[in-house]
Amino acid sequence: GIQVEQSPPDLILQEGANSTLRCNFSDSVNNLQWFHQNPWGQLINLFYIPSGTKQNGRLSATTVATERYSLLYISSSQTTDSGVYFCAVVGYGGSQGNLIFGKGTKLSVKP
Amino acid sequence: DTGVSQDPRHKITKRGQNVTFRCDPISEHNRLYWYRQTLGQGPEFLTYFQNEAQLEKSRLLSDRFSAERPKGSFSTLEIQRTEQGDSAMYLCASSLGQGMYEQYFGPGTRLTVT
Repeated sequence: GIQVEQSPPDLILQEGANSTLRCNFSDSVNNLQWFHQNPWGQLINLFYIPSGTKQNGRLSATTVATERYSLLYISSSQTTDSGVYFCAVVGYGGSQGNLIFGKGTKLSVKP
Repeated sequence: DTGVSQDPRHKITKRGQNVTFRCDPISEHNRLYWYRQTLGQGPEFLTYFQNEAQLEKSRLLSDRFSAERPKGSFSTLEIQRTEQGDSAMYLCASSLGQGMYEQYFGPGTRLTVT
């Protein structure tokens, strides 16, 4: 099955810094989503981005489907950005449509 | 438009007891998924429904697990004879359709088996 790898596994930033999180996937996808999991476990949808570039405030994401990777950019980080960021994909032709998740990047933003 | 809801949010049970969780998807979403997340890992797929039909189960779903979605609305996930290894966060998600549609997650039910 399709493999999803995220890097780095852990990231510590000072408030105000910028960061880039990476997601590599092993096969073609027709769905790619980025999530932020808050300390209570809720998965918050950040981007639905199987290809192209999107921006939402301080966050933006780019997926280069032909090269099988996606990047999540966080600018001017805030302490509330802390948590785990997950990339998840649905393989092209995956009949179930279930998301395959990476192991996540744990982000800690220090004041 | 309300999001996906799950109940209960937390459940503590003793080994060997049965537990049941409920998920209410976003209205008009005909796809409903169950995932399980253990500490330090990403969520893993358990099973999914297209309307009321359960179409796929992963190998993670042992015979002690059963899921239903009567009338294609809410869904329940039951675990019989719970084991300590069942301790995890159980997440429900819904989407308008298959594959290319965005999935939205509920807040999860955190199960602790003592």
